Amino acid sequence: QQPVQSPQAVILREGEDAVINCSSSKALYSVHWYRQKHGEAPVFLMILLKGGEQKGHEKISASFNEKKQQSSLYLTASQLSYSGTYFCGTPDQGAQKLVFGQGTRLTINP
Amino acid sequence: DTGVSQDPRHKITKRGQNVTFRCDPISEHNRLYWYRQTLGQGPEFLTYFQNEAQLEKSRLLSDRFSAERPKGSFSTLEIQRTEQGDSAMYLCASSVTGLGETQYFGPGTRLLVL
Repeated sequence: QQPVQSPQAVILREGEDAVINCSSSKALYSVHWYRQKHGEAPVFLMILLKGGEQKGHEKISASFNEKKQQSSLYLTASQLSYSGTYFCGTPDQGAQKLVFGQGTRLTINP
Repeated sequence: DTGVSQDPRHKITKRGQNVTFRCDPISEHNRLYWYRQTLGQGPEFLTYFQNEAQLEKSRLLSDRFSAERPKGSFSTLEIQRTEQGDSAMYLCASSVTGLGETQYFGPGTRLLVL
């Protein structure tokens, strides 16, 4: 079943913060985050594993709440280059394939 | 490290024609995936290979679609008798088996069926 992302779209000014959520109705074992710019392939950002710690680097980080079956992606002091559509993907019933959410479109304005 | 490559990057075809796409994964990646993405949606799984074995195929995939990975390296995806509804971006990804394995995507092949 497809994870649900919220919000569907965000518009920010450069330097502002954003949070993108990804929720599942099924137990989550891992969550994969990608960013995709228009006309390009999804680019891997990070993976969070069950029982793992919050991950991130510089101004992009993520958390994974197994009990709530959700993950959140945090972008702080956003830069113009952060613009794009963010997808979370979760393995389907322990299988290798990923099921992706519908995406969150992030627009950063100067 | 060379990333995942796909060829062609764009394809325009007429309804009813056959098309074939190629994917070259990152070297030594034993798993290879095909996804399809339409405008405004996330990638949707089509099929995947571990080495040369096709281990799973989406139930949504019609019999007009076939994929191969003959030597466990590159893969091809063929669509026979294309329909307008096949218009989409076809993405290939590869990974290495292991805990927390990460799928790396290629640039995709954008198909337009007229």
